[in-house]
Amino acid sequence: DAKTTQPPSMDCAEGRAANLPCNHSTISGNEYVYWYRQIHSQGPQYIIHGLKNNETNEMASLIITEDRKSSTLILPHATLRDTAVYYCIVRPLYGNKLVFGAGTILRVKS
Amino acid sequence: NAGVTQTPKFQVLKTGQSMTLQCAQDMNHEYMSWYRQDPGMGLRLIHYSVGAGITDQGEVPNGYNVSRSTTEDFPLRLLSAAPSQTSVYFCASTLRGGDEKLFFGSGTQLSVL
Repeated sequence: DAKTTQPPSMDCAEGRAANLPCNHSTISGNEYVYWYRQIHSQGPQYIIHGLKNNETNEMASLIITEDRKSSTLILPHATLRDTAVYYCIVRPLYGNKLVFGAGTILRVKS
Repeated sequence: NAGVTQTPKFQVLKTGQSMTLQCAQDMNHEYMSWYRQDPGMGLRLIHYSVGAGITDQGEVPNGYNVSRSTTEDFPLRLLSAAPSQTSVYFCASTLRGGDEKLFFGSGTQLSVL
């Protein structure tokens, strides 16, 4: 499975957009990009996933570059409750091993 | 639906003791998995199962056993607990492997003294 690289931490002002980058330069054509987040001491929560097109749902938007070597998770209006660790994961279409890295600690500040 | 249910929430063991962490899901998911999370680290995959009667190893399987006799249940067994197994354990499930999102339980905090 492809490896991902994320910054260890980021800060964001409440009400502003949070843009979390992820590098996955060795991604294969059949691998999806997934984003999860983990709020302190809770189980991870699914946010969004995509293959090559940009995706949007009620929680976030996912922007994947044309060469698919990097992506950005966008939380359009961050709130204090969005403070969490955000994990970017790549996984084959029929892969069974969802491997988590260290993630990015996002701190939303008032 | 209750989702993914883990029991117990907290457990303290002595070195060498055995115990089973329980995980059950009521969503008829084929795929289930166990992760451990150590302080300041991401989740590491221990074992997973793609259906009843089928299990496979993840990144850190040593010291843990699993079985999958039913679709609903996926228990994790520690045969002889060691202090290195002190961690938070998460169970997760999804409908099937592939393009599906994982649903996680609330975790079991295990301390081995």
